[in-house]
This record gives sequence, structure tokens and C-alpha cells, in this order.
Amino acid sequence: SQQGEEDPQALSIQEGENATMNCSYKTSINNLQWYRQNSGRGLVHLILIRSNEREKHSGRLRVTLDTSKKSSSLLITASRAADTASYFCATEIKMDSSYKLIFGSGTRLLVRP
Amino acid sequence: DTGVSQNPRHKITKRGQNVTFRCDPISEHNRLYWYRQTLGQGPEFLTYFQNEAQLEKSRLLSDRFSAERPKGSFSTLEIQRTEQGDSAMYLCASSIRDWGNYEQYFGPGTRLTVT
Repeated sequence: SQQGEEDPQALSIQEGENATMNCSYKTSINNLQWYRQNSGRGLVHLILIRSNEREKHSGRLRVTLDTSKKSSSLLITASRAADTASYFCATEIKMDSSYKLIFGSGTRLLVRP
Repeated sequence: DTGVSQNPRHKITKRGQNVTFRCDPISEHNRLYWYRQTLGQGPEFLTYFQNEAQLEKSRLLSDRFSAERPKGSFSTLEIQRTEQGDSAMYLCASSIRDWGNYEQYFGPGTRLTVT
């Protein structure tokens, strides 16, 4: 089944550094979304980029989308210890008359104080 | 709190027993989704409702799984004759599909352990 794959699987950085996570997918998408999940808790929506957009910003987050390469990246600038979490990309694809969100396996980010 | 709520938060059951989970979405949201998440993996789509109609079911949803949303508000997910492989976090999410608004709001999940 079509699924986003994140890279790297795990990332450890020092507070203040930037963190970059990548996502690749296989088929045409309606949009691509990034979610964050803290240990043992629910997912929180971070940012959505539509298939006709190439870049989007939200606070310290920057997302790019390259539909020709079927890839996206999430950049977190000036990281903080509170950014420690798992980050998932999710691609929304059209299925007949409905839409489905397909998640990748995630990048586990550790920000060291 | 006006977020998505799920009950119970944790459920331990013996293999072969039936379990039922409940999800209360954000009140004005007409779409409700169920996902399953195992350790170290992203959520896997199970099924979704628009109002009370179940519009999509994953092949992951075997005959032992059934979901309902009788009045288009809360939803229940029942697993019959549980197996150890059913152990996972079950997540519920809701959304309004307005033009340009696609994000899903997730509940805290129900962690199921089948012994």
C-alpha cells in the first residue's frame, strides 16, 4: 500500500540546532501533512501543504514539497528540548469518492538540552 | 475541553474476549476516523464516517472488527474474539471537510493489551 517513508528514522541534535526530516511517497497526493506525537500521546497537526504548493512556513517550521520527486521535507529551526517527539508525514490520497490519510513510520527526534 | 476524547484510555483483556471503545469527536465535526498504531509505527487507517455513514473500510478491518456512529456524533469500535495481534493503540480523529480545511484532530487513544 502507498505510504510515506521518513528519513532518518531517528535524529539526535543539540538544542538550538536545526532539524531536517524527509518524507517520500509513491502515488499522487491531494496534500501532505506533518504531525507530531509526544511519547504515549495523541498526534498533533503541525502543517499542511497542498499538492500545488512548493513551500510553506509556520513559526519555526518550514515544509517543502517536490511532487516531481514525490518527496517533502520538514525543517525545524532553533530546536528546543520541547520539540523532542516523533514526527510523521501523512499523505492524503483520493479513493473513489473519499479521501484517506496514509502515515509514514515516523522520525524520532531527540533534542538534547 | 472541546477536543476529541476516547474511553477507556487503557484496556487489558484476555484473548477471546470482546472489547468496545468509544470516541467522542469535536462537536461540529462531521467526519470521524479510526486508526490503529503499533509501537514504532505510524497510524494505520481502519475506517471513517461522514456523519452516520461508514464510507471507507481498510482491509485491515477483519470481520471481527465493527464500527458504528449511530447518530452521527460519538462512535464505537468493537473487536470480537480478541487476539494477541490486536494489541495496539487505537486512535480516533475528527475533522470538518470545508474547502481548504483538511486537518484531523486526534484523541489520546485507547491502548489495548490482549493477554
